[in-house]
Amino acid sequence: EADIYQTPRYLVIGTGKKITLECSQTMGHDKMYWYQQDPGMELHLIHYSYGVNSTEKGDLSSESTVSRIRTEHFPLTLESARPSHTSQYLCASSEWGENTEAFFGQGTRLTVV
Amino acid sequence: AQSVTQLDSHVSVSEGTPVLLRCNYSSSYSPSLFWYVQHPNKGLQLLLKYTSAATLVKGINGFEAEFKKSETSFHLTKPSAHMSDAAEYFCVVTEQNTDKLIFGTGTRLQVFP
Repeated sequence: EADIYQTPRYLVIGTGKKITLECSQTMGHDKMYWYQQDPGMELHLIHYSYGVNSTEKGDLSSESTVSRIRTEHFPLTLESARPSHTSQYLCASSEWGENTEAFFGQGTRLTVV
Repeated sequence: AQSVTQLDSHVSVSEGTPVLLRCNYSSSYSPSLFWYVQHPNKGLQLLLKYTSAATLVKGINGFEAEFKKSETSFHLTKPSAHMSDAAEYFCVVTEQNTDKLIFGTGTRLQVFP
């Protein structure tokens, strides 16, 4: 079992609310990622980080923001949730180096009503 | 730019018969390639990875994949499907210099009794 955790697993929230999706890993990995996945679709990278105080936007534009104050923690925040944000959000982490696989959390399924 | 193409969005097999999930990659360099599996409401789990040490890669749960440079393919196979193999499978390539994971669109495997 990978030591990467996401909370909450499921979230239903009203439009306009601010939400934070939590992601923590205990493996000491410097690299962390957030992916967005719609049902039955591929994963799209929305944010990544190569270490503390390092954050970059991914390939898919997202209104969410991230922070990396501690190595083990990589939360994602939506300041004002909208129905278009309804999706599954997957967090992952990996070591440096070639051929290193990413370890994924179980995901947060977000529904904005 | 690197990319992967999963040639089948759905594959259906009977239990006990062979499984073939096809993946072609595009890369201007020697790529790092992975297969991940995603069971319903679960995170992604690494099945196997190509590290250039051997072209035939063995993974977990009896799966294996063969890297064929001449065909730019990395197809996933299993000699005998089990009901528990029913899931979504993703072929993944890493982006050169950034190590970001680039996902294919996924193949949903159904296994019938």
